[in-house]
Amino acid sequence: QVQLVQSGVEVKKPGASVKVSCKASGYTFTDYYIHWVRQAPGQGLEWMGTISPGGAGSSYAEKFRGRVTMIRDTSTNTVYMELTNLRSDDTAFYYCARDCCDTRGYNFPAYWGQGSLVTVSS
Amino acid sequence: DIVMTQSPDSLAVSLGERATINCKSSQNILYSSNNKNYLAWYQVKPGQPPKTLIFWASARESGVPDRFSGSGSGTDFTLTISSLQAEDVAVYYCQQYYSPPLTFGGGTKVEIK
Repeated sequence: QVQLVQSGVEVKKPGASVKVSCKASGYTFTDYYIHWVRQAPGQGLEWMGTISPGGAGSSYAEKFRGRVTMIRDTSTNTVYMELTNLRSDDTAFYYCARDCCDTRGYNFPAYWGQGSLVTVSS
Repeated sequence: DIVMTQSPDSLAVSLGERATINCKSSQNILYSSNNKNYLAWYQVKPGQPPKTLIFWASARESGVPDRFSGSGSGTDFTLTISSLQAEDVAVYYCQQYYSPPLTFGGGTKVEIK
């Protein structure tokens, strides 16, 4: 079955960077895009971007462009999301999610990781 | 960007009664070449990751109870819980995936009356 296991809690200071991992199993890693979605405390869901583990590239929401990088490691079936220059309003749960479909492009997040809490505080 | 607007922000429904959540997109999200609406619905419970309920506006994800149904086309969509159960207390979000960036509605909190 599809499983996405994320790294644990991170506590960072403003201005620092964080790298969250998402290890996939139960399917062919390179066939499905991985999305990153975050949810700040008391707030809604926010899409950050997506990456093709198969090498077709990545797409980032404009809000995060320049601060976010998504990379994949096909040797370990892991996707990483790095966010730099952290601010207090980056405090949130960060979720990776596998796309629904093994099509050429991406569609919607269908299978979700358990989430990684990132806290930014001085 | 396509803006997704949900209503109401919250609703309280008696157990066994119907709950209806509306979602409106700022642009048409029906792709004419395949006649599919690029809309999904998610359920988020406290302390849990989102759960995918509905995709293509009306297709139910495997394992989702059939009391959950999605409808609508173009710009106006609805999620209906036909007979609310205690375990359905959650926040529900619609999302369009017609064009990037993928965007979510603001969420609708469903509670028991």
